[in-house]
Parts: sequence; C-alpha cells; structure tokens
Amino acid sequence: GQQLNQSPQSMFIQEGEDVSMNCTSSSIFNTWLWYKQDPGEGPVLLIALYKAGELTSNGRLTAQFGITRKDSFLNISASIPSDVGIYFCAGPTGNQFYFGTGTSLTVIP
Amino acid sequence: DAGITQSPRYKITETGRQVTLMCHQTWSHSYMFWYRQDLGHGLRLIYYSAAADITDKGEVPDGYVVSRSKTENFPLTLESATRSQTSVYFCASTRGTGGNGYTFGSGTRLTVV
Repeated sequence: GQQLNQSPQSMFIQEGEDVSMNCTSSSIFNTWLWYKQDPGEGPVLLIALYKAGELTSNGRLTAQFGITRKDSFLNISASIPSDVGIYFCAGPTGNQFYFGTGTSLTVIP
Repeated sequence: DAGITQSPRYKITETGRQVTLMCHQTWSHSYMFWYRQDLGHGLRLIYYSAAADITDKGEVPDGYVVSRSKTENFPLTLESATRSQTSVYFCASTRGTGGNGYTFGSGTRLTVV
C-alpha cells in the first residue's frame, strides 16, 4: 500500500513553544489533509490542502503543500496544553485516503 | 443525534467468536470506511463502500466481512476473532470521494482474549 512517513514520531515540548512536523510520500498527491486525534476519540480534520505550494492556516496551525507534491508540513505556534494528541497526515489514492503513522505531541505546562 | 456513531464503544470477546461492530451515519454520505488503529501502524483501511450494496477491500481486509444494505449503516464483522484483531476500530464517512476529508466516529476498542 501507500507509504506516508511522518516525522518526528513523538515530541515533548514546553507550553508556548512552536512545533513543526512533516509528512512525506512515495507518490505524488493532489490533496493533503491534516488530522488531530485527541485521546480516546476519532481523528478530526484540521486543514485540507489542494494545490502545490499552498499555505493554509487554521488559528495557530499552518500547513503547507510541498512543491514536489510528495510532502506536506504542519506548524503549530505558541503551543498550549490542549494541543496534546496525535497528528496524522493523509493523502488520497483513488477513492481511498492513506494515513501516516502519526506524530504524538505532548505539551508540558 | 446527527453525526456518525459507533457501537459498542468497548468490547471484549474470546478467540473464535463472531463479533459485529456497528457504524451509523445520519448525513446520507455515499462513502463509508472502516479503519483499524494499532501502535506503530497508524490508521489502516480495512474495507470501504462507495454506496449501498457496493463494497471494496482496503489494505488489511483478511478476517473481516462488511455489508451495506442501507446507506446509513456499515457494519463490520469479524467472523472468527483472533488476538491479532485486538485494536481500535474507526468508522468514517464522506459525501464525495473525500476531497474535503472524512468524518470519523469515536471508535470501538476491541480486545480479543
């Protein structure tokens, strides 16, 4: 199947710090999605990207669709405790979305 | 209530038993999906459905059966549960082909003993 590699696998940061994570694919995608999963819940869509080079923000979150169309980046500015969770990237192949293995974020107050 | 709901929330079953996980959505979304989530593997697609009576295999379909007689329901059955099927199962739906992303249920945590 499709391989989406996310890095880092996990992050432990102090409240107030900025966070960067990325996702790379072995194939070109026309859409990139970023999800967040709170503990014990299903993933929730944060940001959708549809064009190479696109930069989209959602509050303190900013995501970019890589120029090569094989990668995407998510930044969180001024982290707060409720940012804790697992962040997934996802990209479509046909009718299916493939998900990365996730980046687990822990914010230390 | 509107949305996508999964039941049960938690289930413990014995090896060899048949188990059915339920998924219900109220939006009349065409597409529905079943994923399993395991440490180190992220979310892996088991089966999906493009419409009632149309289903297709995903990445890890072995040991699972699905049906979709009505648009709003998409049950997942483990015909003879094995310990390797211990996982968290998520159902998701989307109106079109998913360009706007999927909406996920809250998950079913299944333990096979």
